[in-house]
Amino acid sequence: ETGVTQTPRHLVMGMTNKKSLKCEQHLGHNAMYWYKQSAKKPLELMFVYSLEERVENNSVPSRFSPECPNSSHLFLHLHTLQPEDSALYLCASSASQQGHGNTIYFGEGSWLTVV
Amino acid sequence: AQKITQTQPGMFVQEKEAVTLDCTYDTSDQSYGLFWYKQPSSGEMIFLIYQGSYDEQNATEGRYSLNFQKARKSANLVISASQLGDSAMYFCAMRAYWGDTGRRALTFGSGTRLQVQP
Repeated sequence: ETGVTQTPRHLVMGMTNKKSLKCEQHLGHNAMYWYKQSAKKPLELMFVYSLEERVENNSVPSRFSPECPNSSHLFLHLHTLQPEDSALYLCASSASQQGHGNTIYFGEGSWLTVV
Repeated sequence: AQKITQTQPGMFVQEKEAVTLDCTYDTSDQSYGLFWYKQPSSGEMIFLIYQGSYDEQNATEGRYSLNFQKARKSANLVISASQLGDSAMYFCAMRAYWGDTGRRALTFGSGTRLQVQP
């Protein structure tokens, strides 16, 4: 138990569906992250939230929409996904987004299959 | 550009033996952090060990130690007395600037799959 909980653990959705992934951290952290892990590719950072402010890097398609209503909760809203979006989506948190020594703790991940 | 390289896609080790997983990195930062994570087949990414770039001593956590050679930009993970439960993917990661955001985030290597044999 790392203190970061993700639901659902497994999700199968059609390309026209709208679904959401949920993440909750119980560690009192101020930064939260979404990572994508596809087969045969390194983990890709998708979004960073620091004190509920989103930090963009403009490489994530708009069909992925994050939401951070407070420092303990993070959502990833999914709509009109493609089969290549099938992957393990990992949520993580850290005490602070700044500094090189802040350990990032991960949840168990949500396995997403787009059919 | 920040980059993490893990050149061993797969490794085998006998139970109770030690194993070294290689990691090299590239960064222009003077201050950075290096991490190792373990990922079992269940998917969870488990934090193992951390080394700061200014730490003079190699980090140790139980059976895990990090062989940090700053001049060679390497941060190898050593697992002593391997156990069957150590079979998993292992990722080296570096806290580095993320694109043009001006913010730091973890950049991961491609991972090494370790299999411990009885």
